[in-house]
Formats: sequence, C-alpha cells, structure tokens
Amino acid sequence: AQKITQTQPGMFVQEKEAVTLDCTYDTSDQSYGLFWYKQPSSGEMIFLIYQGSYDEQNATEGRYSLNFQKARKSANLVISASQLGDSAMYFCAMREGGNQGGKLIFGQGTELSVKP
Amino acid sequence: DVKVTQSSRYLVKRTGEKVFLECVQDMDHENMFWYRQDPGLGLRLIYFSYDVKMKEKGDIPEGYSVSREKKERFSLILESASTNQTSMYLCASSLGLYQPQHFGDGTRLSIL
Repeated sequence: AQKITQTQPGMFVQEKEAVTLDCTYDTSDQSYGLFWYKQPSSGEMIFLIYQGSYDEQNATEGRYSLNFQKARKSANLVISASQLGDSAMYFCAMREGGNQGGKLIFGQGTELSVKP
Repeated sequence: DVKVTQSSRYLVKRTGEKVFLECVQDMDHENMFWYRQDPGLGLRLIYFSYDVKMKEKGDIPEGYSVSREKKERFSLILESASTNQTSMYLCASSLGLYQPQHFGDGTRLSIL
C-alpha cells in the first residue's frame, strides 16, 4: 500500500493566487515527520517545510505553509501569492519513527505550473 | 547554508563498467543517503549511512555498493553498470535522523 499519496499529477495556478497541493499519508507510528520538497526542471531537490507529528501548530516558512490534519492523515502544502518561479514538481515525503535510519518515503509528486 | 555537492551533473558510461558517483557535504552531517529517481516510480532509497564506515541497505540496493571512509563523503558504486541503472541519482544528508534531508543537484547517469 502506498504510504504517501499525492492525487494531483498536475495543477495550474494564476500568478499571485494561492494554491494547495494535496498529500495524504499512511502510518501506524505515533512519531513521524512530514516534508515538502520542490524540484525545478534543473533537477535539484529543495527542502521547503517540515511538520513533526507532535507539533501542535501548522508549520510556516515564508510563502509556504503546511495544513496538517492529523486525524485525516493529510499534510497539504499551501503556497500563497504564487510566482512564476514556483513552477516545478512538488514532492511530499514522510519519515517514520523507529530505526529506519531517517529514511524518507516520497509521493509521486505534483507538477505545478504558474500562469502569468 | 547546507551544501551537498555531487561530482557530476551528467555522466555517460558503458555496460559493464564500474561507475563511481561521489557526494560531499560541508555541514558535518551524520547521515547521508543515495536515492534514484525514475519517472513513474518516484524517489527510491538505495543505501544510507549514519556514521563513518557504517551503511544500511535501502529499498533497492541490488547492483550497488557504497563507501563512507570520511564523514563528509559518501560514494555510490555501480559494480558492473547495466542499462537498467540509467537514472537520476540524488545524494542527501541530514544532521540527525529526524532533521530534514538536504539534497545535491543530482547526477543524470546514462548507461549505454
């Protein structure tokens, strides 16, 4: 069973508008972490934001915020005021607790296109 | 800022060759990781290391080995390259097991 599900293969958003990228996860661990990464066409993976399972407040980093709904097992990324440079692939990832060595499990990604 | 450097952005090798992919990080991170990324399959963990000379298999270790002789350097070795190892390879490092992983720019490897 997939542990990280990103249901939107591709999305379009108008410049300066907000956009939400969906991510749901599946784990039986109580301690886990959720991450979002951005991958432009050039290939590098850029860390955006992190949410720990015990964090009570939603994480925010500049224009990025993570809408964490623990009971629903969702960790959606919200990008406010989209910019043309936000066009990229976005990956949701989860790190489970235990002795997995910090291994990340990635979703399939969402390709975001920002229109001028 | 964390800097993870991969030795090559693009690499072309022949079937049967022994291939070395090098990764260096400059932040004294304990943990280092090698992933490969393929269309439709996402990122998959090949090997990781949580200390010098320590290594653990990831999800797809077959056909690969790794070396970590120094804390800052983590090498991925394709013992006898095959065409199905043509892929994008990404190295990452993290300070602790529960810290974000920071990635290098990736190496696009083609095996002919």
